[in-house]
Amino acid sequence: DIQMTQSPSSLSASVGDRVTITCRASQSITTYLNWYQLKPGKAPKLLIYGASSLQTGVPSRFSGGGSGTDFTLTISSLQPDDFATYYCQESYRIPFTFGPGTKVDIK
Amino acid sequence: QVQLQESGPGVVMPSGTLSLTCAVSSDSVSSNPWWSWVRQSPGKGLEWIGEVSHSGASNYNPSLKSRVTMSVDKSKNQFSLILTSVTAADTAVYFCARGPTSLNCLDPWGQGTLVTVSS
Repeated sequence: DIQMTQSPSSLSASVGDRVTITCRASQSITTYLNWYQLKPGKAPKLLIYGASSLQTGVPSRFSGGGSGTDFTLTISSLQPDDFATYYCQESYRIPFTFGPGTKVDIK
Repeated sequence: QVQLQESGPGVVMPSGTLSLTCAVSSDSVSSNPWWSWVRQSPGKGLEWIGEVSHSGASNYNPSLKSRVTMSVDKSKNQFSLILTSVTAADTAVYFCARGPTSLNCLDPWGQGTLVTVSS
């Protein structure tokens, strides 16, 4: 299986801050990398697919980058609605492993 | 707007069988090649369980493969998950999702349903 890691595991930030989350794959997955946002009791939300493509309806303050083994999710100006847990997922090979998540909370 | 809704028992006995259904609205299970199940154990991350095709094909996570069966019911526009021989380690919120889509992602997802394995 492809192993996915994320850093940091959690972070505290203020509204308006720029936040960057890193995701690393144990082998090259080219750009088969997706980012999801999870909030308790709500359906997970796709933010970024193909490493850098913004899902329709997702605010432009979210952006993704990277290829191969190293990827980033950036929130350019953190908003109150963005406090959540973020997961990367490889879609290169079954079993489509997720990263362990990064929890973003209020500073 | 496509919506997915999971349903099934909230409690399953140890060594029993977990059975969940995902109802799809505003889309047809025949319109997308794959439909997936994902779970999140308490305090832990996400685990992809597997995917099922409207044609009957399926792929499962090797870690669960011996206990998992997925199927699609086109007449009811829904798909299902069966997990046998459950233990406390199978206690989790179970999500259904459309995909992987042509964009190789899961979208949209259901809200999830908590299944507790307990006697």
